[in-house]
Amino acid sequence: QVQLVQSWAEVKKPGASVKISCQASGYTFINYDIHWVRQAPGQGLEWMAVINPSGGSTTYAQKFQGRISVTRDPSTSIVYMELRGLTSEDTAVYYCARDGTIFGVLMAMDVWGKGTTVTVSS
Amino acid sequence: ELVLTQSPGTLSLSPGERATLSCRASQSVSSTFVAWYQQKPGQTPRLLIFGASSGAPGISDRFSGSGSETDFTLTISSLEPDDSGVYYCQHYGSSARTFGQGTRVEI
Repeated sequence: QVQLVQSWAEVKKPGASVKISCQASGYTFINYDIHWVRQAPGQGLEWMAVINPSGGSTTYAQKFQGRISVTRDPSTSIVYMELRGLTSEDTAVYYCARDGTIFGVLMAMDVWGKGTTVTVSS
Repeated sequence: ELVLTQSPGTLSLSPGERATLSCRASQSVSSTFVAWYQQKPGQTPRLLIFGASSGAPGISDRFSGSGSETDFTLTISSLEPDDSGVYYCQHYGSSARTFGQGTRVEI
């Protein structure tokens, strides 16, 4: 079945970087964009970035410009999200999600990973 | 910058009642690219509605969406206890996505 499997939880110190992975399976990896969305404790959903796995082009939320990088490895169907310069405000659950289509129509984020908890603490 | 404002913040209703959730955009958007998600406590978000009014595969027909331009609505026709959670609207008409802040539904 179609699924996105994310890497395990991380604990980082302020100023460090974190790199999270999202492995796709059950569909043709290069055909669907992958987004990163985060959710701080008790807060709503915040869109961070998107990558086109075919060509590797990315779009980042302005808020994260300069300290986020999203890459992909088509040979393993994995998308990576690296966030640098972590602060306590980056403590959150980070989700990857696929842009789905149905009968050729874009239907927003139809498949989500289970999330990766990142805790930033000294 | 597009802002989506959801109301009310919290909706407390009884089983069998109808829930009406609102999502207002700061500028006119194409209804083709408005989605609604449900997030139950401790779970990942789940796509309910796309294209403002189309149900995602496997979603109960108790969930329906409507709206255009700046005003969009998610309706849950007959609430069940399992419908408790937070509901988010989203615009996906560009690479950069925007979420509303969410409406909590308590049953």
